[in-house]
Amino acid sequence: DTGVSQDPRHKITKRGQNVTFRCDPISEHNRLYWYRQTLGQGPEFLTYFQNEAQLEKSRLLSDRFSAERPKGSFSTLEIQRTEQGDSAMYLCASSLGRVSHGVKAFFGQGTRLTVV
Amino acid sequence: GESVGLHLPTLSVQEGDNSIINCAYSNSASDYFIWYKQESGKGPQFIIDIRSNMDKRQGQRVTVLLNKTVKHLSLQIAATQPGDSAVYFCAERVNRDDKIIFGKGTRLHILP
Repeated sequence: DTGVSQDPRHKITKRGQNVTFRCDPISEHNRLYWYRQTLGQGPEFLTYFQNEAQLEKSRLLSDRFSAERPKGSFSTLEIQRTEQGDSAMYLCASSLGRVSHGVKAFFGQGTRLTVV
Repeated sequence: GESVGLHLPTLSVQEGDNSIINCAYSNSASDYFIWYKQESGKGPQFIIDIRSNMDKRQGQRVTVLLNKTVKHLSLQIAATQPGDSAVYFCAERVNRDDKIIFGKGTRLHILP
């Protein structure tokens, strides 16, 4: 257990429905990252926060995706009008500052989304 | 686009032998590299890192080598054990950037 919690672990939803995932980072970590991972691929960066500010969003994050970190602690990732191509593992990570030598990012176990 | 990649998708190694997992990157501005291990159903786990001003770094049973001339990174695992079975990713951080970019991964199989 890395200390980063994600909920739910698994989610099956029908195409067109909205889903929301939650990430609870390690408590003192000011940076929080969202990644998406499809089968057989490496995690792809989606977005990250420093405290409550969303500082960068990947072009992968279409208008149907929105992420928030309202109080600089937990974060939510919402996908509206889900499509089958959204099926993936959604990973959250947190770090105390910019990832570098001496500052590690810790990943949660992910939320596996299946859109049927 | 993504600049981190791997030469081999699957590597099978006899238990007790050394494993070498390779990675190529294309962004010469990358200043920091990490190897992650991902077991089935889990998130990536940090193994070892190296800054671009180094060419070798050793941990417990693991060594990372960096060759900036050919933009190549490798992970060496000594005396491979069954618990080393996993997918291994190299990842990079481009200078002054704030995110880590992952490659596609190599699956390591340990043969009995």
